[in-house]
Amino acid sequence: EVQLVESGGGLVQPGGSLRLSCAASGFTFSGYWMHWVRQVPGKGLVWVSRIDSDGSSTTYGDSVRGRFTISRDNAKNTLYLQMNSLRVEDTAVYYCGRDRYDSVDYWGQGTLVAVSS
Amino acid sequence: SSELTQDPAVSVALGQTVRITCQGDSLRNYYAGWLQQKPGQAPVLVMYGRNNRPSGIPDRFSGSSSGNTASLTITGAQAEDEADYYCHSRDSSGYHLLFAGGTKLTVL
Repeated sequence: EVQLVESGGGLVQPGGSLRLSCAASGFTFSGYWMHWVRQVPGKGLVWVSRIDSDGSSTTYGDSVRGRFTISRDNAKNTLYLQMNSLRVEDTAVYYCGRDRYDSVDYWGQGTLVAVSS
Repeated sequence: SSELTQDPAVSVALGQTVRITCQGDSLRNYYAGWLQQKPGQAPVLVMYGRNNRPSGIPDRFSGSSSGNTASLTITGAQAEDEADYYCHSRDSSGYHLLFAGGTKLTVL
């Protein structure tokens, strides 16, 4: 069974940093691109970042480029999102997801990041 | 254009058929994936590719695509289908994902 479990969310002050993790199981993690997607409660889904299967290629949404860094450790079956210079508008539930069929076919349960003073 | 657009809300009578549409230039090159999200839950993929349902998705869900428009059809909508539905696809570069704003489906 494919499982994605996010962790690392919490309350942080503006300008602070946070690292999210996504533990993957039930599939060959090293064979798939992965994504981070976020959602402000009550609002729509917004793509954040993508990483290819071996970590050699990454892309970012305009609102996080230069502040967030996606990475992965295929030996640990874990995806990461390092978030620096956090802003109030980064407050959201962050989901990790597996890329397949030009879609995100499996999603984690999400982890809430709240940026507030 | 690098956007996907959906109608914000659609309603359907119980047991009737409803179509949810998604428009965007990227759909000329990539199929849309359709996500169902219920309150407090993570999204679930219900349709991908030309017309493919992941395991466990009822066959009342079907998909189609033509030009810059993708559609998700629910034939015989059930109360449990009431949810937000999002289409998404790759952008023209193939390395970014685009999400439409979502359609809130109400089953009357």
